[in-house]
Amino acid sequence: QSVLTQPPSVSGAPGQRVTISCTGSSSNIGATYDVHWYQQLPGAAPKLLIYVNNNRPSGVPDRFSGSKSGTSASLAITGLQAEDEADYYCQSYDRSLNGAVFGGGTKLTVL
Amino acid sequence: QVQLVQSGAEVKKPGASARVSCRASGYTFTNFYIHWIRQAPGQGLEWMGWINPNSGDTDYAPKFQGRVTLTRDTSISTAYMELSRLRSDDTAIFYCARIYYHPLTGYGYYLDYWGQGTLVTVSS
Repeated sequence: QSVLTQPPSVSGAPGQRVTISCTGSSSNIGATYDVHWYQQLPGAAPKLLIYVNNNRPSGVPDRFSGSKSGTSASLAITGLQAEDEADYYCQSYDRSLNGAVFGGGTKLTVL
Repeated sequence: QVQLVQSGAEVKKPGASARVSCRASGYTFTNFYIHWIRQAPGQGLEWMGWINPNSGDTDYAPKFQGRVTLTRDTSISTAYMELSRLRSDDTAIFYCARIYYHPLTGYGYYLDYWGQGTLVTVSS
């Protein structure tokens, strides 16, 4: 049972837009702590995709964007491409835990 | 460039301990906390704890408290994770990751660089 809640799977056709939600609580996202997103390709380590809610590290295409409101956050991917097929995780800080918390992960399938 | 290079795969028997190393390069090791994350086969990411390489201070997730020990050797810019009393359900890939966080402003708290992962298999 992950502290942050994500849908187990989402799918979309090439070129479409998909969103992945991430819901937390008053001890993490709702306490105004930032949300970050990671992409994990099959067999690889997770890679930072979005940091501090809506910022992209160098090299991440602008097809990826993030947002946060209240106790939730979202990752949006536009212009879906086959190489976007991966697992996506949200992460925040939890003050009760004094550490990082993750969502359970969402598997994106490009149809 | 920043790199975190972890030690190789291990096979352990139930009840034994596993020790994974994480060697940092390309930045000042003592300036950034190192976190450890576990990923069981086909499962999600699970936070285990962190170490402050400067002071050696640590904090652990309740689930792992009493079984995990994080240490570091600043002379070789290496962090270690030891998990004791291994069980078959501890079989997983363990990752170290550097966290970007500004404690005075509260900015960040994201894992900007990750090790390649170390598979620990627990089997009799």
